Amino acid sequence: GAGVSQSPSNKVTEKGKDVELRCDPISGHTALYWYRQSLGQGLEFLIYFQGNSAPDKSGLPSDRFSAERTGGSVSTLTIQRTQQEDSAVYLCASSWRGGWGEQFFGPGTRLTVL
Amino acid sequence: AQKVTQAQTEISVVEKEDVTLDCVYETRDTTYYLFWYKQPPSGELVFLIRRNSFDEQNEISGRYSWNFQKSTSSFNFTITASQVVDSAVYFCALRVQGGSEKLVFGKGTKLTVNP
Repeated sequence: GAGVSQSPSNKVTEKGKDVELRCDPISGHTALYWYRQSLGQGLEFLIYFQGNSAPDKSGLPSDRFSAERTGGSVSTLTIQRTQQEDSAVYLCASSWRGGWGEQFFGPGTRLTVL
Repeated sequence: AQKVTQAQTEISVVEKEDVTLDCVYETRDTTYYLFWYKQPPSGELVFLIRRNSFDEQNEISGRYSWNFQKSTSSFNFTITASQVVDSAVYFCALRVQGGSEKLVFGKGTKLTVNP
């Protein structure tokens, strides 16, 4: 079956612009995660959605970052007024909630802020 | 708070050598899960194995084996008879029961297997 998909695969933007990154989880997975991978910080958790529960936003680095998940499926991560330190690979993962629930990752979106 | 330490930043071996990747974790929770992921040059994280805190039985899958020891809070990964295709960055991760169940990753170990 189809895995987690993300778009775009690459995004180059200018400092100060807003960007939107999209994630399509595996069908039937109720949990969705966003992570960020950068050279200096490794893999960092950003935000988690589970069903209709309030998302866990504890990993978002600033209020310029936000995310939503519509209809319990597709998710969009938005970064407003991008800064050069936002340059990273943004990874999306999905899983079944609870128990083992290993997370399956998408290919990521490489964001470059000039 | 949870923490995962992969002390080896980079390892280089020659094909057919055995190699062990170290992982040490910290958590106060009694129920938790440990994972290994592989990230090849293509970039996509690939799930390799999971272990829960109540199962210390070691596991072997082909050339891969994992040694989980709660006494030393370690979850080490061994590749036997390494191959060039094993070249990748390997991440160890920890997840605690309940809450957001986010993964806490180590910094990763870059393994290069030379022909």
